This record gives sequence, C-alpha cells and structure tokens, in this order.
Amino acid sequence: SQQGEEDPQALSIQEGENATMNCSYKTSINNLQWYRQNSGRGLVHLILIRSNEREKHSGRLRVTLDTSKKSSSLLITASRAADTASYFCATVRMDSSYKLIFGSGTRLLVRP
Amino acid sequence: NAGVTQTPKFQVLKTGQSMTLQCAQDMNHNSMYWYRQDPGMGLRLIYYSASEGTTDKGEVPNGYNVSRLNKREFSLRLESAAPSQTSVYFCASIHPGRLNTGELFFGEGSRLTVL
Repeated sequence: SQQGEEDPQALSIQEGENATMNCSYKTSINNLQWYRQNSGRGLVHLILIRSNEREKHSGRLRVTLDTSKKSSSLLITASRAADTASYFCATVRMDSSYKLIFGSGTRLLVRP
Repeated sequence: NAGVTQTPKFQVLKTGQSMTLQCAQDMNHNSMYWYRQDPGMGLRLIYYSASEGTTDKGEVPNGYNVSRLNKREFSLRLESAAPSQTSVYFCASIHPGRLNTGELFFGEGSRLTVL
C-alpha cells in the first residue's frame, strides 16, 4: 500500500484564496516532500521538510510536519490560476535507501 | 542540458508483445527510478537504481525488468505486456549531493497502452 495519502482528493477554490492539502503516512520517515504536476507533465519538486523540522516556508508555500500524528500539510497562500495542478506528497523512510513513495495526490483547481 | 529524457513518449502494444522504455539523464546523477502513474493512484515505484551496476525492486516490480546500462541510462522492459500495464511511466533521477534537498528530477513520461 502507498505510504502517503492526501486529502482532499480534489479542491476547487477562487483565485486569491488559500489552499490547504493534507498528507498522512504510515511509517517512520527521514523526510517528506511535496511535488507538483501540471496536466500531462512530469512532477516538479516544491519543498522538503525533514523529520526533525515542524514547519518550513518557501515563497507562498508553507509546509508543516507532525511526526506524532504522521501527517503533513501544504498551504498555498494567495492562490493563482497558474497554481492549478495536482499536488503529491512523498516520503523517504528511515530504514531504506533513497526511495520516494508517493501518495495519490490532490487535484487543485483555482478559478480565475 | 536536457535533464531526464524518456523515449518513446507514446506506445501502443498488443497483449504479449515486449518493449523497452528508455531513460537517460545528463546531470551526472547516481540514482535513477522508474514509476508508473495510473488515474487516481499517484505514482508507484517499480524499480530503482541507487548507483551504476545496482538495481532494486520497488512497490510494483512484477512484470518488469530493468537495466542500469551505465551512469546515464536506466531502461525498463516489459517482457510480455498485459492490459494491466497500461499506464504512464515516469523516469526520475537524483544527485547524491541533493539528498538533503530531496529534489528528484522527472522526465515528461511515456504513455503506454496495452490492447
């Protein structure tokens, strides 16, 4: 079974609003990453948070990690129509070589 | 600097046929990966190669074989294609110096249909 599971599966918001996506995982991790995928394209890395970090920022992105709940959230502030894409979390386990295991993703639609 | 290049981009096969998906990266990365993506399923790891000469199974290796031909190239082979292997296949790579940043670089995908 997949390590990470995102919710919601789909999210539709108005431009300018904030978008929050959540990711839950099952085993101890080394780090958790978020990727973005535009329709029909490959994935692009957004941000990584290590297991000993609780929050990280990058531009309009804010990621949190709660290792006690085995969950993470990605917040996109002041969303734009260009943020429309699918967003995936991926985890790297403590006990493995560097393998990323992806969740099923959240499809975000930002309406102009 | 092309990044990660996959060929072919599209392929239609009949059940039982074989084919090889090619992947090459020009970033001098050590580790390379093959994933498949099915609708609503996210990406699932098929095989990966931590370094030249090594390969290891991922989450869904059955029905596939891989070859790490050299540092640049990592191919995925379907020996006897089945309709369940209809999917989009992604190759990715990472530089060991990037492990702390976790940045996998992905190709644009190979869309395979098995009839």
